[in-house]
Amino acid sequence: TQLLEQSPQFLSIQEGENLTVYCNSSSVFSSLQWYRQEPGEGPVLLVTVVTGGEVKKLKRLTFQFGDARKDSSLHITAAQPGDTGLYLCAGAQNTNAGKSTFGDGTTLTVKP
Amino acid sequence: NAGVMQNPRHLVRRRGQEARLRCSPVKGHSHVYWYRQLPEEGLKFMVYLQKENIIDESGMPKERFSAEFPKEGPSILRIQQVVRGDSAAYFCASSPGLAGLSGELFFGEGSRLTVL
Repeated sequence: TQLLEQSPQFLSIQEGENLTVYCNSSSVFSSLQWYRQEPGEGPVLLVTVVTGGEVKKLKRLTFQFGDARKDSSLHITAAQPGDTGLYLCAGAQNTNAGKSTFGDGTTLTVKP
Repeated sequence: NAGVMQNPRHLVRRRGQEARLRCSPVKGHSHVYWYRQLPEEGLKFMVYLQKENIIDESGMPKERFSAEFPKEGPSILRIQQVVRGDSAAYFCASSPGLAGLSGELFFGEGSRLTVL
């Protein structure tokens, strides 16, 4: 069974601070996605990383895929209240189309 | 709105009743996935369907749960004789092709089932 562990589970910070959340697994994934979910809404795709060591930037968000394609991190610079939400990582395998494995998420609260 | 459409958004059922959740994928998408999310947890895969075919139902409970994606109309997730443990948010996602090649899923806003 493939598992993705996310840490921390909960994170509460002040506006302007930086933060990093982690997504770790003992399994290798063909690709890894990060989603953001707000209360009462569905997850919204933020990024996909495919290549080991890959780094992608989306404005103040930086995503990194581990060299071995088993782990990933999301770094947010100068967090804003609008960043508040549940951040989910999900791993996918080419051989199991659509059967993504999700972590339990990191709930981020950014206080003004 | 060209995104994944789910209805109802909220559904309340008493124990023993049936729940039917509907999902219309993004126009042009032929692959549909159902996931379940319990409070404070991530999403758990249930089933993957293409038009008129169930491709992978390894995440579906063996009893009371069924899913279909007919040639015409939305995909339907059906839960018979609901129990309190079925209370959860059920999300549908779609993709234009084999999502596993990219892993990217486009989710609807979910159907929240409450069993009294």
